[in-house]
Amino acid sequence: DTAVSQTPKYLVTQMGNDKSIKCEQNLGHDTMYWYKQDSKKFLKIMFSYNNKELIINETVPNRFSPKSPDKAHLNLHINSLELGDSAVYFCASSPDYLGVTDTQYFGPGTRLTVL
Amino acid sequence: SQQGEEDPQALSIQEGENATMNCSYKTSINNLQWYRQNSGRGLVHLILIRSNEREKHSGRLRVTLDTSKKSSSLLITASRAADTASYFCATDNAGNMLTFGGGTRLMVKP
Repeated sequence: DTAVSQTPKYLVTQMGNDKSIKCEQNLGHDTMYWYKQDSKKFLKIMFSYNNKELIINETVPNRFSPKSPDKAHLNLHINSLELGDSAVYFCASSPDYLGVTDTQYFGPGTRLTVL
Repeated sequence: SQQGEEDPQALSIQEGENATMNCSYKTSINNLQWYRQNSGRGLVHLILIRSNEREKHSGRLRVTLDTSKKSSSLLITASRAADTASYFCATDNAGNMLTFGGGTRLMVKP
């Protein structure tokens, strides 16, 4: 049983296009995240949602718009894709919210390549 | 800037040897976590150590935390080829998020 799933696994697109990545977790967690991992493997948080509410937005360009239709889903829509958006995007979920960040469960990642 | 920084960036050992990776961080933390990432995969949680703990074990993993030095170490004993992966430390310092280091790439040769 897949705990955190993402689709698609690979995404190749042209500059200027708009694309979406979907994420679903079946762990019953309240908090979900989007991370970006660059070519040097640095992993940086982009967004955090708790019960469909945006909690963290780490100075991500507003071309990136997360949407959480319910607490099990957190999708990422990217407008006007740029070359620098090429990276691996990871979704994660966690059972805790206020006070302490507990174990995070990661999806398999979406490798985005912008040509 | 990265809150956690791993050292070394890369490590190559023979199967059966121990592997030690270090992590340093800058600000006070609630907890520190270690994750493993196999090539082309997502991160997998290994162990969490809270700020009031000094050492924790899980199977062949041993993690220490020195809050006075703002550092942690991950020891993998009796390494196996399957331990080949990147290992990341992550700190919970703001209460709502983890900040990851750049990782240590471990290669275990059979």
